Amino acid sequence: GAGVSQSPRYKVAKRGQDVALRCDPISGHVSLFWYQQALGQGPEFLTYFQNEAQLDKSGLPSDRFFAERPEGSVSTLKIQRTQQEDSAVYLCASSPSASEAFFGQGTRLTVV
Amino acid sequence: KQEVTQIPAALSVPEGENLVLNCSFTDSAIYNLQWFRQDPGKGLTSLLLIQSSQREQTSGRLNASLDKSSGRSTLYIAASQPGDSATYLCADTGFQKLVFGTGTRLLVSP
Repeated sequence: GAGVSQSPRYKVAKRGQDVALRCDPISGHVSLFWYQQALGQGPEFLTYFQNEAQLDKSGLPSDRFFAERPEGSVSTLKIQRTQQEDSAVYLCASSPSASEAFFGQGTRLTVV
Repeated sequence: KQEVTQIPAALSVPEGENLVLNCSFTDSAIYNLQWFRQDPGKGLTSLLLIQSSQREQTSGRLNASLDKSSGRSTLYIAASQPGDSATYLCADTGFQKLVFGTGTRLLVSP
């Protein structure tokens, strides 16, 4: 597709459930980012990939969060044993290099 | 550690008014400065990217400037329209991460 695609758009999870969020970046984009955005706040950095290499995961809030990009294109953000504080919009962005970033529509996760 | 601040947090103006949104950052070693627009429940739409060697960028009614020495960027919106109502975010597009401000929520009334 022409832009960054994220799925699902909305996810409701029961507390304790595992979830997987998918990001399809723009074809050929080397860099891929995951961000978490709480209501009324700016996006907060979670992790960064350059091709398949995860170069920075300093923003992942706990070891329940895990991200992968095994073939350097599609990425998955997995959250294990979800908790209510994980409720947020998860944004994915891609960039051809260290330049303009393009964001997807996000996945709104609600943990009940 | 880079910190980005946006003032004001919210702004309400009548249609047709020219307005300025402010973005300040603590580390002048900024990589690029990117302005985004976010509509409620949606992702971020890139508006303008100012590379570190540039001082401003223009797109239609939007003009963004960057002054690295003072740690400031401004987004100027000319002749505002109700369709401009959204949250505007600026970000330091560092080499391996973007650092965002908290945004300015703009409401343009007809």
